[in-house]
Amino acid sequence: ETGVTQSPTHLIKTRGQQVTLRCSSQSGHNTVSWYQQALGQGPQFIFQYYREEENGRGNFPPRFSGLQFPNYSSELNVNALELDDSALYLCASRRGGSYEQYFGPGTRLTVT
Amino acid sequence: KQEVTQIPAALSVPEGENLVLNCSFTDSAIYNLQWFRQDPGKGLTSLLLIQSSQREQTSGRLNASLDKSSGRSTLYIAASQPGDSATYLCAVSGAGANSKLTFGKGITLSVRP
Repeated sequence: ETGVTQSPTHLIKTRGQQVTLRCSSQSGHNTVSWYQQALGQGPQFIFQYYREEENGRGNFPPRFSGLQFPNYSSELNVNALELDDSALYLCASRRGGSYEQYFGPGTRLTVT
Repeated sequence: KQEVTQIPAALSVPEGENLVLNCSFTDSAIYNLQWFRQDPGKGLTSLLLIQSSQREQTSGRLNASLDKSSGRSTLYIAASQPGDSATYLCAVSGAGANSKLTFGKGITLSVRP
């Protein structure tokens, strides 16, 4: 167990809807990243937050957005859901100055 | 653009065998390399982190090596057990504030009793 928690565990949404996924970082970790993992693929980097500011983004459209709160918990928001958004969404946290990342159990999103 | 390759995609071995999982990357300007284990439908468990200044790391029956110049890493698993059955992913990161991980697709290992 890494101490990184995510909610909900599973989620089913309809195309066009909006979804919010949540992550609670491991204690003492001030950097959080989000990844999307499609079935049979490696995780793809979505974005990273450090001290409540986005400081890196992968090749994802603006309908993917995020927030990091003062307690370092984080949200991933996806608007106008598409079928291809169906995936496992992983949150990872790390301590500033350390490069080892610790992943949560993920949220399985299914878009129908 | 960094690309990470893991071949083969799947591997099946009998219990007790020593095995090597390979990982290659195209850009040698990495800061570190991390090996993860993923059980079906679950998150990632960090196994070993090798910083670019290091050549290898060991944890129990696992040993990971890194050769930056050739763009390769190997994960060695000694005396494999059925409980080692999982998908093994390697990921590399660059230096700097945005230390995003670039992953391979993983190798699905099955250890037969």
